Amino acid sequence: NAGVTQTPKFRVLKTGQSMTLLCAQDMNHEYMYWYRQDPGMGLRLIHYSVGEGTTAKGEVPDGYNVSRLKKQNFLLGLESAAPSQTSVYFCATYFTGSGANEQFFGPGTRLTVL
Amino acid sequence: EDKVVQSPLSLVVHEGDTVTLNCSYEVTNFRSLLWYKQEKKAPTFLFMLTSSGIEKKSGRLSSILDKKELSSILNITATQTGDSAIYLCAAPNSGGSNYKLTFGKGTLLTVNP
Repeated sequence: NAGVTQTPKFRVLKTGQSMTLLCAQDMNHEYMYWYRQDPGMGLRLIHYSVGEGTTAKGEVPDGYNVSRLKKQNFLLGLESAAPSQTSVYFCATYFTGSGANEQFFGPGTRLTVL
Repeated sequence: EDKVVQSPLSLVVHEGDTVTLNCSYEVTNFRSLLWYKQEKKAPTFLFMLTSSGIEKKSGRLSSILDKKELSSILNITATQTGDSAIYLCAAPNSGGSNYKLTFGKGTLLTVNP
């Protein structure tokens, strides 16, 4: 089992460029999340999904869009990247039947916007 | 709005020291509190606490929840350089079919040899 994987691992963009980050999971978890992590800020929720075809806004959704067309994939899009979106992005999943309340995290994507 | 506050934000100790990290929370529909350790990459799960006063232990790490004080502590005894990491505290807010974690800003622990 690969668990939670993220593509790409690193990316450098110029201001105004667009890109999509892919999160893939093979654990059949219903819930998926996108977080960003900035120094001294902990993890902040961007968007999340409670199942295939559903998405919802988190704490810091502006400038991002998401889609969950398949249960195993959760895409995070930046339509027009800005330097303020320089961050490390983490995807996470959760299984409602686990009883553990634990979210499982991917390895992260380090994005730099120049 | 849910809130999780950690203190201190950073801490530098020497190997062998004992450290205590603090987490306080204000969360609707409180169910549990989670601790994660984050080294260079993704956070890894340490503990989930649901009941007051019951200590969870794993090796040199232990944690306890105080629901009266809305807080939790994470203790690390006989620290090692490998304990250097960001320690994150989080609380889930489950309302209906939605499930989200609110994270604190983390405590950056540096253990010097």
